[in-house]
Amino acid sequence: EAQVTQNPRYLITVTGKKLTVTCSQNMNHEYMSWYRQDPGLGLRQIYYSMNVEVTDKGDVPEGYKVSRKEKRNFPLILESPSPNQTSLYFCASSLYAGEGNQPQHFGDGTRLSIL
Amino acid sequence: RKEVEQDPGPFNVPEGATVAFNCTYSNSASQSFFWYRQDCRKEPKLLMSVYSSGNEDGRFTAQLNRASQYISLLIRDSKLSDSATYLCVVNIHEIYNQGGKLIFGQGTELSVKP
Repeated sequence: EAQVTQNPRYLITVTGKKLTVTCSQNMNHEYMSWYRQDPGLGLRQIYYSMNVEVTDKGDVPEGYKVSRKEKRNFPLILESPSPNQTSLYFCASSLYAGEGNQPQHFGDGTRLSIL
Repeated sequence: RKEVEQDPGPFNVPEGATVAFNCTYSNSASQSFFWYRQDCRKEPKLLMSVYSSGNEDGRFTAQLNRASQYISLLIRDSKLSDSATYLCVVNIHEIYNQGGKLIFGQGTELSVKP
């Protein structure tokens, strides 16, 4: 089954404790991205990757890191989480970047609470 | 000004009603347009792409007006199962072949009542 898998689905942690949210897709997609969703603000892009070893900042990259060592995986790293990073996070992938009418496939979401 | 703007709603309509959502975008480099649907606390899912000539998929009709930078979604004969948040999404290609950037509207909430 074609899918984007995020882990964990839920996490409550404390300020300053490094955490990683994993994202994996099995569709051989080139393009992957991370979004956060907050009430009243909609989905905002954090980072994206057009292919292996190619990553770039989205609209709200501060406080986050990513890596793309393999095509299928695109982990999101919070080196020193803070309460303002409490949010619902989505990983998404699509076959290519920027080409016409193609859907983005989203993971189920990760709900992070930073205390 | 937000790059993609939608009326947040909520729209409360009876079953069988026709409901229209509007969306405006500000970046003229926008090239591709979509409507996504998001159920409460779930991931967004593509509902339909929006083509310049307008397109229809069953009870759903999407329209694009590039001159006015305006996108719409019409739902006819609404069902209880249509209750969700509808996201207007614009793909901006500012540099050719450098990859697009998806900008999401904040979504319009629809609640269909019996």
